[in-house]
Amino acid sequence: AQSVAQPEDQVNVAEGNPLTVKCTYSVSGNPYLFWYVQYPNRGLQFLLKYITGDNLVKGSYGFEAEFNKSQTSFHLKKPSALVSDSALYFCAVRGVPPGTYKYIFGTGTRLKVLA
Amino acid sequence: SQTIHQWPATLVQPVGSPLSLECTVEGTSNPNLYWYRQAAGRGLQLLFYSVGIGQISSEVPQNLSASRPQDRQFILSSKKLLLSDSGFYLCAWSVRRRQGDQYFGPGTRLTVT
Repeated sequence: AQSVAQPEDQVNVAEGNPLTVKCTYSVSGNPYLFWYVQYPNRGLQFLLKYITGDNLVKGSYGFEAEFNKSQTSFHLKKPSALVSDSALYFCAVRGVPPGTYKYIFGTGTRLKVLA
Repeated sequence: SQTIHQWPATLVQPVGSPLSLECTVEGTSNPNLYWYRQAAGRGLQLLFYSVGIGQISSEVPQNLSASRPQDRQFILSSKKLLLSDSGFYLCAWSVRRRQGDQYFGPGTRLTVT
């Protein structure tokens, strides 16, 4: 079955430290991968995406993600975390099955940045 | 620029009452439209998606239905709400003809009492 997994329910990191939010996927064909962020009682905001090309993708608010085909991963990273980065983060894959317009989302990872 | 609206922002309805949530998109034509439900502040469940007027695909059999009466309007409905329908409902759109991003509305918080 095609799926997206976010293995950590919550990630805690100290302000100023690097952060990583993990995502792995299981889809057929070439995946189109996305990261979104959600603040309390708000809609999801697009952060970045991987379609093709460079495996390191840079996005909004200083976030980046690394696509690793051999490990089927698309981890979200930031070199120096801010308290304002605290939110719920979703990984998603589009085109499941290939050629469709559907997205599959992970279950979300709550990031807590401690001052 | 494109904008997506949802209303109402919050709604409290008794069990057995009808439901109508509306989503509209501005600044684009022929979008794909989606309805998601998010329970307990976590995962997103795709409920419906639409690639055109009157074209609705249902992902999960349930108490809800969707309609797309106009190109940029997407409505989520129920004839009789259940307690389990409570949640945060998100509408989203994406460009149809290329592998594009999905953009979300601000959401509607529905509480069924």
